[in-house]
Amino acid sequence: NAGVTQTPKFQVLKTGQSMTLQCAQDMNHNSMYWYRQDPGMGLRLIYYSASEGTTDKGEVPNGYNVSRLNKREFSLRLESAAPSQTSVYFCATTNPTSGLTDTQYFGPGTRLTVL
Amino acid sequence: AQSVTQLGSHVSVSEGALVLLRCNYSSSVPPYLFWYVQYPNQGLQLLLKYTSAATLVKGINGFEAEFKKSETSFHLTKPSAHMSDAAEYFCAVSVNDYKLSFGAGTTVTVRA
Repeated sequence: NAGVTQTPKFQVLKTGQSMTLQCAQDMNHNSMYWYRQDPGMGLRLIYYSASEGTTDKGEVPNGYNVSRLNKREFSLRLESAAPSQTSVYFCATTNPTSGLTDTQYFGPGTRLTVL
Repeated sequence: AQSVTQLGSHVSVSEGALVLLRCNYSSSVPPYLFWYVQYPNQGLQLLLKYTSAATLVKGINGFEAEFKKSETSFHLTKPSAHMSDAAEYFCAVSVNDYKLSFGAGTTVTVRA
């Protein structure tokens, strides 16, 4: 089992370019998440999908869109990249337990630089 | 909204010494609490979690954490640091929704 996979691992964009980050999981989890990690700020939630067919905004959604393509895949799109979106992006998955978020399993991350 | 505070962004310990990482949370109800570890250029990996069972929780690699409701704390300890413990550690809390709230992280350096 691969767990949670993310592509690409690294990406350099110019300001204004667009791209899609891909995430796939083979853990049969219902919920999927996109975070960004910046030095000294921990992980901040961008968007999440509680179950297939639903998506919701997290703490820092501006400048991003998401698609829950099916139960396995959850993509994050930057329509017009800005230098402030330079970050490390992580995808995570879980199955909620009695309405509470249980352990989230993380992918290896995508390092994005916007020039 | 619940929040998590990790005291100290950097901790330096000698090999063989006690590792103590502090985490306090704000929540009006008993939460689920987590400690994650992130090694350089990797994703986050679960160290341990508290889900309202025993208050002293044992995790991987010799780490443990104690839930203290009266102090709203969930500090992480390891009796004897190893060079391989050098990493960044994150405390996180979950309360009655689909989301985790993460602390800012503590970077641990281990001196030989």
